[in-house]
Amino acid sequence: AQKVTQAQTEISVVEKEDVTLDCVYETRDTTYYLFWYKQPPSGELVFLIRRNSFDEQNEISGRYSWNFQKSTSSFNFTITASQVVDSAVYFCALSEAGGAQKLVFGQGTRLTINP
Amino acid sequence: NAGVMQNPRHLVRRRGQEARLRCSPMKGHSHVYWYRQLPEEGLKFMVYLQKENIIDESGMPKERFSAEFPKEGPSILRIQQVVRGDSAAYFCASSPRGGSGNTIYFGEGSWLTVV
Repeated sequence: AQKVTQAQTEISVVEKEDVTLDCVYETRDTTYYLFWYKQPPSGELVFLIRRNSFDEQNEISGRYSWNFQKSTSSFNFTITASQVVDSAVYFCALSEAGGAQKLVFGQGTRLTINP
Repeated sequence: NAGVMQNPRHLVRRRGQEARLRCSPMKGHSHVYWYRQLPEEGLKFMVYLQKENIIDESGMPKERFSAEFPKEGPSILRIQQVVRGDSAAYFCASSPRGGSGNTIYFGEGSWLTVV
C-alpha cells in the first residue's frame, strides 16, 4: 500500500530563515510520481512540483528547492530566506504508475513564517 | 486562462438536505477528479471521471454520494441526505490527459457545512 508521511505537523520560523519540510513515502511500485502542493490560508491547492521516480535530480525554483532521495524514500522541500507569504499548509503526495491518477497525500505541514 | 472553477465556494445545508457541488475543469482538460478534505483525515481521493464516464470511484462512500461529468456542462458531485460528518472541503481537479504522472490542477474548493 502507498503511504506518505509528513512527520512535521507544524513549523514556525522567523522570516528570512531557511526551512525544510520533510516527506517520506512508501510504495512497492518502481515507477511512481511525487508532488508538492501548497494550501495558503485562502484554501486553494496550488501545484508546486512533480517529480517521477526515474529523475533523482534535485530541483531549484527561485527560493524553493526539492531534494529527492530514492535510497531513503524521501522528497524534502526547502524554502530559502522564508517570507511571510510562504505561510501555508504544504502537502506532499504520491501517485502510482498505471491506471487512474490517484494521489495519496500526506497529512500536511502547517508552516508559519513570523515577521 | 481560467483555472479549475468550483462553485459554490461555501455551502451550508441542514441535515437531510442535498448538496450539489459543481466543477468546470481547466480549458482543454477532459479528466476530472474529486477529493475530500476532512478535518482530521487529510485529503482523500474520491472519484475520477472523463466525459460521460466514471473511471474510478473507489474512494466514494457507498451511499448518498454520486458524481457525473456530462457531455456538456460541469462535473457535479452530489451528496444526498447530508449528515454532519459530510462537513468538509471538496476539491475538484483536472488534467489534460488521464493516467498516472500527469499533473492535476486543483480548484479553490467547496466548503460544505452541515448544520
